[in-house]
Amino acid sequence: GQQLNQSPQSMFIQEGEDVSMNCTSSSIFNTWLWYKQDPGEGPVLLIALYKAGELTSNGRLTAQFGITRKDSFLNISASIPSDVGIYFCAGQRFPSNTGKLIFGQGTTLQVKP
Amino acid sequence: GAVVSQHPSWVICKSGTSVKIECRSLDFQATTMFWYRQFPKQSLMLMATSNEGSKATYEQGVEKDKFLINHASLTLSTLTVTSAHPEDSSFYICSARELGGNTEAFFGQGTRLTVV
Repeated sequence: GQQLNQSPQSMFIQEGEDVSMNCTSSSIFNTWLWYKQDPGEGPVLLIALYKAGELTSNGRLTAQFGITRKDSFLNISASIPSDVGIYFCAGQRFPSNTGKLIFGQGTTLQVKP
Repeated sequence: GAVVSQHPSWVICKSGTSVKIECRSLDFQATTMFWYRQFPKQSLMLMATSNEGSKATYEQGVEKDKFLINHASLTLSTLTVTSAHPEDSSFYICSARELGGNTEAFFGQGTRLTVV
């Protein structure tokens, strides 16, 4: 099925460093979501974006809905060991309102203490 | 945030038997629930969309007779893997969208199915 292009695929960083990951699509989206998944668990919603240009923060996390509506990024500042996990972007294609989401391939984050 | 409970969290079954997985929205009503399958180190693959009171909509390539979905109430959807085979072993995850809410979906904890 269709997927979003998410990058990077994996990151190995030092504790305290900032992290950035992004998702792009050739289609326009009306919703962008960012999730974190720990091993053996379901994804947990981090940030939801609904408007082009919207910039939203959740603690050390910041995400933006791209102006073109075809991309989004997630930044994590001052990473800590518990940030380890897989981060997924997900979006709902315009003009759908079914709640059906398309997922990125995921970014695996590892943090070295 | 809204809570979605999935049960069981893991199950081992013999080849040829059927397994039922439940997905419940605990503190909200969900007209729509989604079922995903996830292979190791891969993303979530949507299997079907479950609508309360109507037939589920399956994604291309997903066998509806193999993966039976029932959404009998606004808080419960079930996925039954019929005549399971080892290749059905996977991590199955459900999500629920709140009635009248925004697009974001809240996920269950997932069910690890192992068919032996």
